[in-house]
Amino acid sequence: GQNIDQPTEMTATEGAIVQINCTYQTSGFNGLFWYQQHAGEAPTFLSYNVLDGLEEKGRFSSFLSRSKGYSYLLLKELQMKDSASYLCAVLDSNYQLIWGAGTKLIIKP
Amino acid sequence: ETGVTQTPRHLVMGMTNKKSLKCEQHLGHNAMYWYKQSAKKPLELMFVYSLEERVENNSVPSRFSPECPNSSHLFLHLHTLQPEDSALYLCASSQDFTGLAYNEQFFGPGTRLTVL
Repeated sequence: GQNIDQPTEMTATEGAIVQINCTYQTSGFNGLFWYQQHAGEAPTFLSYNVLDGLEEKGRFSSFLSRSKGYSYLLLKELQMKDSASYLCAVLDSNYQLIWGAGTKLIIKP
Repeated sequence: ETGVTQTPRHLVMGMTNKKSLKCEQHLGHNAMYWYKQSAKKPLELMFVYSLEERVENNSVPSRFSPECPNSSHLFLHLHTLQPEDSALYLCASSQDFTGLAYNEQFFGPGTRLTVL
């Protein structure tokens, strides 16, 4: 079966750095997405990786290793507004999105 | 604002009621999706429409009935639901539903459904 694993919840301190991991086992791979979802709001797109390596976008970076079935989202200089759930999703060989359950990130002052 | 709106934002209904959820996208996209989001579970894809035709139905119970009258509007008709159907129902759209590797989806804020 297809599976996406990510931690259920993480806590970090304002101003610090946090890394949210995602591992996947899917039938084929056509890219990996990270979305951010604030409580009661729509998920919004953060990043897309299809090749190995690090993609940097401001305070957020996303890393992919296809051989390891592994990705992480790195958030730097954490702000209170970064408190949200972070969803990992993989596009499989049928171009169907397989979603993880999300990681709830709690930022403390 | 993602360009995708959903109404109502909250809905409480009994098991014998009939109600409908509405989604509208203002992005000129050709594909629209219904997802179910339950607490601490992955997003579950329910239905996909491409150019107003249903292209995917992931074994969803018949008490959920989608309708796509045009490429901008999507409905989910609800009939004789069960308490376990209580969840957040998200609508999304994307430019197309094809074999594109990069096909960002834009989500609406969701309808929080409670079935009593």
